[in-house]
Amino acid sequence: DAKTTQPTSMDCAEGRAANLPCNHSTISGNEYVYWYRQIHSQGPQYIIHGLKNNETNEMASLIITEDRKSSTLILPHATLRDTAVYYCIVRAPGTYKYIFGTGTRLKVLA
Amino acid sequence: DTGVSQDPRHKITKRGQNVTFRCDPISEHNRLYWYRQTLGQGPEFLTYFQNEAQLEKSRLLSDRFSAERPKGSFSTLEIQRTEQGDSAMYLCASSTKEQSYEQYFGPGTRLTVT
Repeated sequence: DAKTTQPTSMDCAEGRAANLPCNHSTISGNEYVYWYRQIHSQGPQYIIHGLKNNETNEMASLIITEDRKSSTLILPHATLRDTAVYYCIVRAPGTYKYIFGTGTRLKVLA
Repeated sequence: DTGVSQDPRHKITKRGQNVTFRCDPISEHNRLYWYRQTLGQGPEFLTYFQNEAQLEKSRLLSDRFSAERPKGSFSTLEIQRTEQGDSAMYLCASSTKEQSYEQYFGPGTRLTVT
C-alpha cells in the first residue's frame, strides 16, 4: 500500500532553511508527491507538488530523488509563522485516495 | 470570504444518536473530499465526489457512514448510531479538475461522542 514516512518533529532557527524529509519508497511511477501543512486548529494548506523534477514556488522548494523514493521540502528562510505540521502525501495508485502520513511537527525558534 | 465552509463547527452528541455535517465547497470546484482526523494523526481519506457522483469510498467507512452531494454543490456526511470511536475532526476539501493537486480545506467539524 502507498504510504509516507516522516520524522515526528524538527526544530529550526528563525531565518534558517528548514529541510523536511519524506520517504515514499512505495510510490508508483506516475503518482505525484504533495506537500501540505496544517497550522493549529486549521485545515491543511497546499504547499507544493512534484513528479520527478525539482520544483519551486513562492512558498518552498521540493527536491525529489532520482529514484523517486524520497523527497525533501525546503523552506528557505523559516519564520515563526511556518510553525506547523507538514504532511508529505501520495495518492494510492489508480484511485482518488490521498494518503497523509503522521506528518512532521516543525517548530521555528526565535 | 469564498473559501470552503463547514457546519456545524462543533457537535457534541450522545452515543447512538445520528449526526449530519454539511460542507459548502468553493463554488466552481467540482471535486469534493471528506477526511477524518484524530488527535496526533494526519487526515484520513473517507470519500470523494466528482460533481454529484461518489467515485471513491474508503474501506474504513462503515455502513453507518453515508455521504451525498445531490446537486454537485454542497455535500452532507451522516453518521448513524454514533460510537465513541467516531469522535474526531471531520474535514471537507474541494478542488477543480484542472488544479486537482490543490485541495482547499474547510475549518472542519469537531465531533465529540459522549
